[in-house]
Amino acid sequence: GAVVSQHPSRVICKSGTSVKIECRSLDFQATTMFWYRQFPKQSLMLMATSNEGSKATYEQGVEKDKFLINHASLTLSTLTVTSAHPEDSSFYICSAKRLMYQETQYFGPGTRLLVL
Amino acid sequence: AQTVTQSQPEMSVQEAETVTLSCTYDTSESDYYLFWYKQPPSRQMILVIRQEAYKQQNATENRFSVNFQKAAKSFSLKISDSQLGDAAMYFCAYTSSGTYKYIFGTGTRLKVLA
Repeated sequence: GAVVSQHPSRVICKSGTSVKIECRSLDFQATTMFWYRQFPKQSLMLMATSNEGSKATYEQGVEKDKFLINHASLTLSTLTVTSAHPEDSSFYICSAKRLMYQETQYFGPGTRLLVL
Repeated sequence: AQTVTQSQPEMSVQEAETVTLSCTYDTSESDYYLFWYKQPPSRQMILVIRQEAYKQQNATENRFSVNFQKAAKSFSLKISDSQLGDAAMYFCAYTSSGTYKYIFGTGTRLKVLA
């Protein structure tokens, strides 16, 4: 159990376009999901915490207008990178935690974004 | 502020041997949890083991075990009978009740030599 999926796994887009990444908890309900960014050979950097039915909480330095997060249901959170630029190219990972055992996060497989 | 430190950027181990990855942390919280995650080349983060701070007993999961030294704020991971499939980046993570946000270490790359 505790499977998290992400779609798409890889996306290439032109500069100036918007890209939506979906994160789904497949076999459990997740009131909270997290979005991370990971640069090559670096650790995960938390971007925002997504709570079902409420506004996301962004970490310091993360532009909320650039990275729009919506958590419309207990199994789905989306991250939209608006007006993407080459510097937004990165690996984006989501995670989700269950209602029980809230301290443990289960991670999606990640989305590689390349902005040309 | 809480911090997590992994002082070994890279480690190597011979297949079938044992290796220990180090992790230290700093916190003033009393209720917290520690984790080791594995990130293979696929980049999927896989939970290896978790430890509740209130438990004195060290967590074990098959070939993986931890040495949790609460007073020293140390949380090392021991991998026994290393296998080629253990080669990956290993991240130590901390979280506390309340926000449950993770703080990750910088990672240790483990190479397993045949």
